Amino acid sequence: SQQGEEDPQALSIQEGENATMNCSYKTSINNLQWYRQNSGRGLVHLILIRSNEREKHSGRLRVTLDTSKKSSSLLITASRAADTASYFCATDESNTGKLIFGQGTTLQVKP
Amino acid sequence: DAGITQSPRHKVTETGTPVTLRCHQTENHRYMYWYRQDPGHGLRLIHYSYGVKDTDKGEVSDGYSVSRSKTEDFLLTLESATSSQTSVYFCAISDTFSGANVLTFGAGSRLTVL
Repeated sequence: SQQGEEDPQALSIQEGENATMNCSYKTSINNLQWYRQNSGRGLVHLILIRSNEREKHSGRLRVTLDTSKKSSSLLITASRAADTASYFCATDESNTGKLIFGQGTTLQVKP
Repeated sequence: DAGITQSPRHKVTETGTPVTLRCHQTENHRYMYWYRQDPGHGLRLIHYSYGVKDTDKGEVSDGYSVSRSKTEDFLLTLESATSSQTSVYFCAISDTFSGANVLTFGAGSRLTVL
């Protein structure tokens, strides 16, 4: 079964707007990661947040983690057409170490 | 996708035939993974390896086997392909298993089973 569940499944915004994607998970984790996938390509790691962190920034990306609610959010600020892609959260399970991916959010940024 | 290559990138085969997908890395990473990606399911772990000849099952391992005889190569075999195994298969590598398990993915292998 999937560990991470992203919400929404699809998101369409205008260039310059912010995009927010959410991820919920079920078990305790070591860390949570976000990956990006352009159409027809492999996934690329964006950012990792550890279970003892609450917020992390990387360029235009902001990730939050709420372990009490077992949820995370990815915020992309000032979006660009080039941000059009699918975004996946992945959780590193504490008891197995395996990385389990959610189903992803498809983001379309219109120029 | 530097440092990790998958072959073949595209394959069409018939039900009942054996298929082997190859993942080759030049990073000398200890851990290697095979995932499949299907619409509505995201990525699902098939098998993974934590060293030469050390492998374990993921969440969707039925119908698949793997082998790792060298650090750089991780093979995924479908002994008798079925239409339900039509998918895009991704190999990934990492140099840690817990704590900060960041994966680097290959470009994917698209398999169609007729």
